[in-house]
Amino acid sequence: DADVTQTPRNRITKTGKRIMLECSQTKGHDRMYWYRQDPGLGLRLIYYSFDVKDINKGEISDGYSVSRQAQAKFSLSLESAIPNQTALYFCATSAGGARQSSYNEQFFGPGTRLTVL
Amino acid sequence: AQSVTQPDIHITVSEGASLELRCNYSYGATPYLFWYVQSPGQGLQLLLKYFSGDTLVQGIKGFEAEFKRSQSSFNLRKPSVHWSDAAEYFCAVGAKYNAGNMLTFGGGTRLMVKP
Repeated sequence: DADVTQTPRNRITKTGKRIMLECSQTKGHDRMYWYRQDPGLGLRLIYYSFDVKDINKGEISDGYSVSRQAQAKFSLSLESAIPNQTALYFCATSAGGARQSSYNEQFFGPGTRLTVL
Repeated sequence: AQSVTQPDIHITVSEGASLELRCNYSYGATPYLFWYVQSPGQGLQLLLKYFSGDTLVQGIKGFEAEFKRSQSSFNLRKPSVHWSDAAEYFCAVGAKYNAGNMLTFGGGTRLMVKP
């Protein structure tokens, strides 16, 4: 079974609709992240969470919100989707602390391809 | 703030030929450096990472990368490319002693392999 799962894998929606993308992990990691990928721009950070009570905005948080329901679950919401939010969205996790073997290594889910018409 | 540049958006090589993908980073201290690969329809898989020590690091699938501090580079290499290596490759830099485990990604290089 995959360590980091994302649902749905593909979604087509219309402008103005509310959309939720979900991420679950079985790695026992404290830290979770949401990125979007656009051609030529690589991955850009939307939100990140160090634990259930700690949520932070990333580079491009406008138009998005998140919820950390449990250590293992981190959801991304688009309150009113617009076409320029069409992208590939990735969830990632990482361990906390300063152990060098795991520090900064992030593990990615398979991605959700979102199309906003 | 750190940044990563991958100068080549697309690269095409023949199967069996050698490969080098370029990555330049900007960061004030010694960074953590990573290469990820994204195969079509897949998530990102870590190929290799540099934290400290030997500047030539070995990764999975026969890839290696060399950290050159003087050039702020971390280029990815493979001596003989296989058709299955066709994918998009991302270089990323992590800030050392950053409690956030934050990564900054380059724009990616798409590799195509000719038979």
